[in-house]
Amino acid sequence: DADVTQTPRNRITKTGKRIMLECSQTKGHDRMYWYRQDPGLGLQLIYYSFDVKDINKGEISDGYSVSRQAQAKFSLSLESAIPNQTALYFCATSDPRGGAETQYFGPGTRLLVL
Amino acid sequence: DQQVKQNSPSLSVQEGRISILNCDYTNSMFDYFLWYKKYPAEGPTFLISISSIKDKNEDGRFTVFLNKSAKHLSLHIVPSQPGDSAVYFCAASAPGATNKLIFGTGTLLAVQP
Repeated sequence: DADVTQTPRNRITKTGKRIMLECSQTKGHDRMYWYRQDPGLGLQLIYYSFDVKDINKGEISDGYSVSRQAQAKFSLSLESAIPNQTALYFCATSDPRGGAETQYFGPGTRLLVL
Repeated sequence: DQQVKQNSPSLSVQEGRISILNCDYTNSMFDYFLWYKKYPAEGPTFLISISSIKDKNEDGRFTVFLNKSAKHLSLHIVPSQPGDSAVYFCAASAPGATNKLIFGTGTLLAVQP
């Protein structure tokens, strides 16, 4: 079974709709992240969470919100979707113990906003 | 401002030959570098990393070289295999922000049989 899962894998929505992307992990990591990837660009950090009570904005948080419901679950919401939020969204986890961190990614959610 | 740059969007290599993927960075504070591989419809998977205290790290067919003075790193794959065909991202982080990875734009590697 995959260590980091994302639902849904694909989503089409309309401008102005609220949608939620969900991420679950079984790796036992405290740190979780949401990224977006646009064509021809690298991954950009939207939000990250060090634990259930700690949420931080990343590079491109405008238009997004997150919820860390439990150590294993981290959700990303688009309150009012707009077409330029069409992208590939990835969730990731990491473990800070031992110094340098490697992040482990989910399979991604492809979002199309019409 | 792109702090991590992969100037080659794509690379084509014959099976069995060496693949060399390049990455440049501008932030001299970066001290940890990673390479990720991404297949279509999958998330990036960690491949290999290197700390700034080293100039080389090897794992099987994959070797990463770091040239701090040039702010350049490269990933060598020898021998290249068709299954290596994927997008490769380099990423970097700085001390005190080890969780904040800055990614390059990726290089699409195609290994021809």
